[in-house]
Parts: sequence; structure tokens; C-alpha cells
Amino acid sequence: QVHLVQSGAELKKPGASVKLSCKASGYSFIDYHIHWVRQAPGQGPEWMGWINPNTGDTHHAQKFQDRVAITRDTPINTTYLDLASLKSDDTAVYFCARVGLPDALDVWGQGTVVTVSS
Amino acid sequence: SSELTQDPDVSVALGQTVRITCQGDGLRYYYANWYQQRPGQAPVLLIYGRTNRPSGIPDRFSGSGSRNTASLTITGAQAEDEADYYCSSRDSSGNPYLFGTGTKVTVL
Repeated sequence: QVHLVQSGAELKKPGASVKLSCKASGYSFIDYHIHWVRQAPGQGPEWMGWINPNTGDTHHAQKFQDRVAITRDTPINTTYLDLASLKSDDTAVYFCARVGLPDALDVWGQGTVVTVSS
Repeated sequence: SSELTQDPDVSVALGQTVRITCQGDGLRYYYANWYQQRPGQAPVLLIYGRTNRPSGIPDRFSGSGSRNTASLTITGAQAEDEADYYCSSRDSSGNPYLFGTGTKVTVL
């Protein structure tokens, strides 16, 4: 069965960085792009970026261009999201999701709560 | 515009039909996907490529659309369909993914 399992909740101070992980299982990791999406409290989802696990190529939303890095470790089927210079409005649930159907996110991780507070 | 606009709230009587719409310039060029999200859970893909259902999605969910509008129809709404629904598509401004503003569906 296809699963994406994400790392646990994080509490960070403003200005800090956070690194989240997303471990894939049940399918060939290098064959499907992984996207990162976040959702602030009471808001809709917001796309952040994607990675091609096979090549390591990435693309980020312009809004996060200077603060985000998406990487992968193929031997352990894991994708990472690094977000730097955290602000209070980065408080959100962060999801990873697989593009398993044309342009569609068909499998989602359970989400990681990131709270940014002094 | 690089937005996908949805009605914020829609209600439907149990067993009746409801249509949720999504409008945006990008929909003229790219297909829409639809996601359902229950409180505290990750989104679930309901429709991709405007009209296609992934396996396991009940056939009471259907997608359609033309020009700058995409629609999700729930035919015979069930209590468990009470949730938030988001359309998504490519963004004509350059970002490959954009979500709609969301519609909260209440089943009466």
C-alpha cells in the first residue's frame, strides 16, 4: 500500500529554520514527483514546491523562492523541506503529496504541524 | 488573474444534488482537480483532469467544466460528504499549482 509518512510536530522561534521529512513506501520512489503544500489555520492549501526524486530537480513557488529548499535521499525514499527565516505566519500544517495521476496529488502524507512563536 | 474563486459556503439536503463551481482564467488552458478535506485530515483527491475519478471514489462525485469554470457535482449527497472542497489547477502566472479559495459544504 502506498504511504507517505511525515515527521512530527515542530515548535520554532521566529528567525529559525525547520527541516521536515516525508518518507515514501509502497511504490517506486523515483518514479513520482513529490510536492509540498501548506495550510495555515482556517485557510486553504498553498502550494510550495516540488521535487523530481529521480533527478533532484526542484521548482518552488515564487513566494518562497529565497527561503525554501526541497531535497531528497533516494536510498531511504525520503524527501525533505527546509524553510528558513521563519515568521509567525509560517505557522501551518505542512503536507507532502505524490503526483500519481496527471497533475494531481493522489497520495498525501498525514501532515506536520509547524508552530512559529516566540 | 492567477486566482481560483469558489463560493465560500454551500448547503444541500441529504440525498439531494449540489454543484460547486470554481472560476479562474487558468481554467481556460488547464484542467481542474478537486479535493475533499475533512477537519483535521489531509485532502483527498476526488476528481482529476476535470472529469476523471481515481479508483475508490464514489460515482456520486463528478466533474465538468468549460471556458473559465470548473464544477464538482455531488449527486445524492451523504452525511459524510460534509467537508471543505478545493479546486486546483495550473497557474497561468508560472507556478505549476494553485488551489481555489475553498467551499464548505453542509449537508442538512
